[in-house]
Amino acid sequence: GEDVEQSLFLSVREGDSSVINCTYTDSSSTYLYWYKQEPGAGLQLLTYIFSNMDMKQDQRLTVLLNKKDKHLSLRIADTQTGDSAIYFCADLYNQGGKLIFGQGTELSVKP
Amino acid sequence: NAGVMQNPRHLVRRRGQEARLRCSPMKGHSHVYWYRQLPEEGLKFMVYLQKENIIDESGMPKERFSAEFPKEGPSILRIQQVVRGDSAAYFCASSPPTGSSENTIYFGEGSWLTVV
Repeated sequence: GEDVEQSLFLSVREGDSSVINCTYTDSSSTYLYWYKQEPGAGLQLLTYIFSNMDMKQDQRLTVLLNKKDKHLSLRIADTQTGDSAIYFCADLYNQGGKLIFGQGTELSVKP
Repeated sequence: NAGVMQNPRHLVRRRGQEARLRCSPMKGHSHVYWYRQLPEEGLKFMVYLQKENIIDESGMPKERFSAEFPKEGPSILRIQQVVRGDSAAYFCASSPPTGSSENTIYFGEGSWLTVV
């Protein structure tokens, strides 16, 4: 079946940029999403990108998509301690409602 | 903020009891999805529903689990005869109707089921 992979951990210092990477296998992917989850909470939609785009910027967030390599990244500029959370990449499979999630990347921001 | 509303937030059931989880989609959204997050694991798709229709239930366990989204009222995920392995966070999500200019999929805060 289709798969989405992420590295499990990332540690950065406050003020630095964070880059969270994701790879996927779905060749018919249309939309890719980034969600943030804090402990004991739900998933907060951060941003999403349509597959015919290379880049999308939204305030401190920049999403880069390399469709040829099936690689997606989320860059958080000027990372703050409040950004510490688990970040999930998700692929909208087969244009339906089924999101295929990566395992999540735990971002730790040190002061 | 009339987001995706789930209740209860926390539910404790004894083995063999039934669990009912409810989800009200965002205003204007007609598609509802249920996902399960087991401890130390990512989120797994369970079912996709529109009003009175199950569109995709490929992620639902074959037994004891059922879902509905009636014409009136919230979507319900029902787990009969719960076992310890059902302990997980269950997330509901919703999205706008097909053909909408937005492809946003918003999640609720989750329902944490503990089976004792």
